[in-house]
Amino acid sequence: DADVTQTPRNRITKTGKRIMLECSQTKGHDRMYWYRQDPGLGLRLIYYSFDVKDINKGEISDGYSVSRQAQAKFSLSLESAIPNQTALYFCATGGSPKETQYFGPGTRLLVL
Amino acid sequence: GENVEQHPSTLSVQEGDSAVIKCTYSDSASNYFPWYKQELGKRPQLIIDIRSNVGEKKDQRIAVTLNKTAKHFSLHITETQPEDSAVYFCAAENSGYSTLTFGKGTMLLVSP
Repeated sequence: DADVTQTPRNRITKTGKRIMLECSQTKGHDRMYWYRQDPGLGLRLIYYSFDVKDINKGEISDGYSVSRQAQAKFSLSLESAIPNQTALYFCATGGSPKETQYFGPGTRLLVL
Repeated sequence: GENVEQHPSTLSVQEGDSAVIKCTYSDSASNYFPWYKQELGKRPQLIIDIRSNVGEKKDQRIAVTLNKTAKHFSLHITETQPEDSAVYFCAAENSGYSTLTFGKGTMLLVSP
């Protein structure tokens, strides 16, 4: 689904570095989400946003921050990366009906 | 918040057999229950969903059943094919938040 894109697709960084993962969508959806996926743990919600002025913490927001620059763009930042943030990160958008979510291709992050 | 339990964590079947994956949820106010399929190295994709005003929904070889009283729902795949091999996630709506809580996933392997 090319309507939701994520950059970079792969990233290796070192402990203590600040990094940003970006998500863009052309679906025109107001709702956007960031998840992380770890083996055996499923998908866990980090942050979500229902419009550019609405940011909400999810289940596991500690160590992360987000920015909703525009309706189409939602960025996730790791202020000071640590090894246990090594994971696969997915952005998703919310469509219609309101609960339906569409995922981006994912960013694989390795923190050394 | 919502808690979703998913079983089994792995499931191996022969091609042509049926497969059943079960999930339970905790929030009795939840009204929306989607299922996602994630192929190896790919993003999760919505395959079927059900709302609380419906007890069963079918789409070709896939069906989902919902028992609101018992707070559980199940995915049924009939006449399985090797291309059904993937990780399947159930999810439940967090009522009032337009967010989803996911189960930890079931790895389905269909052997030819």
